[in-house]
Amino acid sequence: GQNIDQPTEMTATEGAIVQINCTYQTSGFNGLFWYQQHAGEAPTFLSYNVLDGLEEKGRFSSFLSRSKGYSYLLLKELQMKDSASYLCAVKDGNYQLIWGAGTKLIIKP
Amino acid sequence: NAGVTQTPKFRILKIGQSMTLQCAQDMNHNYMYWYRQDPGMGLKLIYYSVGAGITDKGEVPNGYNVSRSTTEDFPLRLELAAPSQTSVYFCASSGTENEKLFFGSGTQLSVL
Repeated sequence: GQNIDQPTEMTATEGAIVQINCTYQTSGFNGLFWYQQHAGEAPTFLSYNVLDGLEEKGRFSSFLSRSKGYSYLLLKELQMKDSASYLCAVKDGNYQLIWGAGTKLIIKP
Repeated sequence: NAGVTQTPKFRILKIGQSMTLQCAQDMNHNYMYWYRQDPGMGLKLIYYSVGAGITDKGEVPNGYNVSRSTTEDFPLRLELAAPSQTSVYFCASSGTENEKLFFGSGTQLSVL
């Protein structure tokens, strides 16, 4: 079956750096997405990786290794507003989007 | 642009009742989706559409129906509501099958 694994919850300190990992096993691969979801709100797009390597976008970066079935989202200079759930999602070979359960990130002052 | 507009935001149904969740997008997107999100679980695809007049089942279609008569609208119909349908429902759209999704604000549905 198809599966995406990410940690359930992580805690970090304001101003620090945190890395949220995502591992996947899917039938084919057509890209990996990261979304941010604040409590009670809809997911919003953060990043997209289809080739191996690091994509940097301001304080957020996302890395992909297709051979290892692995991605991470790196958040720098953490702010209180970064407290949210971070969802990893993979487009499989049929372009179906498979979602992880999300990682709840708690930022402490 | 309004993006994806989803109504209602909250609804309580009794077992056996029916209702329609409305979804409209003004971005001229061909692809539209209905997801449900349960605590501790990933988003589950209920139904999707690749264009007006075309719909297809997702991972968890039982108990739901959809229609896509126009590019803009993609309503989700619940017939004979059951407690297992208590969830948060999100409508989403994208321009192509590999683009990012734009989500509506969600509907918190409780079936009692």
